[in-house]
Formats: sequence, structure tokens, C-alpha cells
Amino acid sequence: GQQLNQSPQSMFIQEGEDVSMNCTSSSIFNTWLWYKQEPGEGPVLLIALYKAGELTSNGRLTAQFGITRKDSFLNISASIPSDVGIYFCAGRGNTPLVFGKGTRLSVIA
Amino acid sequence: DVKVTQSSRYLVKRTGEKVFLECVQDMDHENMFWYRQDPGLGLRLIYFSYDVKMKEKGDIPEGYSVSREKKERFSLILESASTNQTSMYLCASSLYINQPQHFGDGTRLSIL
Repeated sequence: GQQLNQSPQSMFIQEGEDVSMNCTSSSIFNTWLWYKQEPGEGPVLLIALYKAGELTSNGRLTAQFGITRKDSFLNISASIPSDVGIYFCAGRGNTPLVFGKGTRLSVIA
Repeated sequence: DVKVTQSSRYLVKRTGEKVFLECVQDMDHENMFWYRQDPGLGLRLIYFSYDVKMKEKGDIPEGYSVSREKKERFSLILESASTNQTSMYLCASSLYINQPQHFGDGTRLSIL
């Protein structure tokens, strides 16, 4: 089946720093999604991308759909303590969504 | 806002029991999904349904079955629970198959 590689697996950063994480796939995707999951809750959609090259922002979050359609990245600017959580990428080609294994973000105040 | 409700947040069952996990969505979505989430493995698709009484296997359907008798409700069934089915189970729904999925808060299931 389709594989997604998400990196890094975990990050420890200082409050105020910028964060970058990315996903790469073994095949072409038509849709890239980024979710955040906080402890005890289900994943919540942050950003949806539908076109190669698309760059979309949601507050301090910015995500891009790679030109090759095989990758996507998520940037968080000026991190704050409530950014803590697990961030998942998800992609869709001709099958239901495939999820990355997540990036666990810890923010040190 | 879409609301996906899972009937239990925590559940403890014994090996060999038949276990039902229930999920209800209130936005008339066509598609519903069941995932399990395990540390280091991310979310893995068990089954999904694109219409009432329709179901498709996901990546790890073994040991599970599903039921979708009504559009708003999608049930996951563990026919004979085993300890390796201890996990977090997440239900999701989407209006169309290519639209983002909305998740419930999960059911943490422990099989003793």
C-alpha cells in the first residue's frame, strides 16, 4: 500500500521558535491534509491542500503541497505552549486517506 | 460544526468477549471510517463505509467487522476480543470520499 514518511518523529523547541515538519510519499497524492491531535482528543483538521504548489495559511500555520505531488510541509511560526500535540499529515491518491505516523511537538516555555 | 460522537471514551473488556464500538455523526455525511491508533504506528484504517449497508476493508480488517444500518451510525465489532486489540479507536466521517475527515474523540479500549 501507499507509504507516508513523516519527519521528525518528535521535536522539543523553545517558546517563540519556528517549527517545520514534512511528509513524503512513495506515490502521487491529489490531496494533502494536516491534523493536530491533543491528549485525550481526536485529530482536528488544520489545513487542507488540493493543488500542487498550493501554499495555505491558517494563523501561524503554513502548509504547502509539493510540486512533485509527493510531499508536503507544515510550518508553525513563533510557537506557543498550546501548540503542543501530535501533528499528522495525511494524503489521498486513488485510495482512502493514508496517515503519517505523526510528529510529537513539545514546547518549552 | 461537524459532530462525531463515540459512545465510550474508555472501555475495558475481557478476552473472547464480543465488543461493540458505536459512532454517530450529525452532518449527514456519506462516508464513515474506523481507525486504530497505536504508538509509533500512527492511524491505521480498519474499515470504511461509503453508504448505508456498504463497507470496504481498510488496511487491517482482520478480527473486526462493521455495521452501517443507518447513515448516521457506524459500528465497529470485535467478534472475539484479543489482547492485541487493546488500542485507541477513532471514528471519522466525511461528506465525500475526497473531502477531509472529521474525527471523534476516540475510545480507549483495553482487553484483559
